[in-house]
Amino acid sequence: AQTVTQSQPEMSVQEAETVTLSCTYDTSESDYYLFWYKQPPSRQMILVIRQEAYKQQNATENRFSVNFQKAAKSFSLKISDSQLGDAAMYFCAYRFSGNTPLVFGKGTRLSVIA
Amino acid sequence: SQTIHQWPATLVQPVGSPLSLECTVEGTSNPNLYWYRQAAGRGLQLLFYSVGIGQISSEVPQNLSASRPQDRQFILSSKKLLLSDSGFYLCAWGKGRAYYTFGSGTRLTVV
Repeated sequence: AQTVTQSQPEMSVQEAETVTLSCTYDTSESDYYLFWYKQPPSRQMILVIRQEAYKQQNATENRFSVNFQKAAKSFSLKISDSQLGDAAMYFCAYRFSGNTPLVFGKGTRLSVIA
Repeated sequence: SQTIHQWPATLVQPVGSPLSLECTVEGTSNPNLYWYRQAAGRGLQLLFYSVGIGQISSEVPQNLSASRPQDRQFILSSKKLLLSDSGFYLCAWGKGRAYYTFGSGTRLTVV
């Protein structure tokens, strides 16, 4: 079975600094997708960034970027120039191709210190 | 554009009462639909998913059930709620190679 592991239950970062959230996953599939979702206090799940496994280039969305290491099955999220609005739960998620559900990690709670 | 609606936003129900949560998607056809539950301070647990009308896959055996009476409607039900059913319920949709979009969630408290 596919599993997603987030080893950092909580992280904190100073405003304007950079923070990296870790995620590892276990799969025997070759065609799959990886995602980072943000869940602010409103509890709405918001897509932050996604990565397709066949793409070697790391995905980037403004201040958010990933370090995708396929052989190591690692998918970390880097947040640059952290802002107060980045404070939230961050979930790493995986699914393989087709009509398959997302499998989530347990989440990392990020605090941003002013 | 596609939108997903989920209601009610908040629900307080007594133990043993029935439950019906509804999720609808607009702007697309034949979406894949998913129900997740999030217990306090925890990750998301997949409950049910559906790839078409009348097609339901259950991931966790429990007193909850799901139905898909129409293409873009997904309903989560229970005949008799338990205290352990309390949590935050999220509906999501996806299609093809796209990412999945979530509804705004229902906070259920069973008392």
